[in-house]
Amino acid sequence: GAGVSQSPSNKVTEKGKDVELRCDPISGHTALYWYRQSLGQGLEFLIYFQGNSAPDKSGLPSDRFSAERTGGSVSTLTIQRTQQEDSAVYLCASSLGGGEARGYTFGSGTRLTVV
Amino acid sequence: GESVGLHLPTLSVQEGDNSIINCAYSNSASDYFIWYKQESGKGPQFIIDIRSNMDKRQGQRVTVLLNKTVKHLSLQIAATQPGDSAVYFCAVNNTDKLIFGTGTRLQVFP
Repeated sequence: GAGVSQSPSNKVTEKGKDVELRCDPISGHTALYWYRQSLGQGLEFLIYFQGNSAPDKSGLPSDRFSAERTGGSVSTLTIQRTQQEDSAVYLCASSLGGGEARGYTFGSGTRLTVV
Repeated sequence: GESVGLHLPTLSVQEGDNSIINCAYSNSASDYFIWYKQESGKGPQFIIDIRSNMDKRQGQRVTVLLNKTVKHLSLQIAATQPGDSAVYFCAVNNTDKLIFGTGTRLQVFP
């Protein structure tokens, strides 16, 4: 597609449930990033995929968070046993890689609310 | 590690005035800096970037200034318009991932 697509746009879940958030990057973009944005805060880096390289998971806040990228395209961010502090907007971005930020295109995010 | 901060959480300006949004970073080895604009309900959108071998770069109505001596970055918006109302983030590139500041909300009054 023309942009980065994220689904669902909104998700309300009960504390303790697992959730999966999906990101469809721009076709041909080899790099994919997940960020978390809490209310009134900046963007917190979570994980970065580049081609076939091992992902950079250094931003994942706990072992309840994991992400996969299948076939070098679609990515799924999974949060297990959700907690109220996981409530945030989860943003995905993709790029051609190489650190040229002007090539980063962000999706509109998934707003996760844990009740 | 890198940390990025902003001096003001909210900036209010009158339409037609110039706006200046500031940002400080901590890692003197940082070499690539970006400003993003985020409107409500949308993801951040690239505005302008600058590399450490420059101290000024201009775009359409926007200018980014980099002072490596004090590790300070600023975004200047000329003739601010209502459509400029948004949250502005500076970001620093760190091994192919971006480290973002907390953002400044720009409010434009008629």
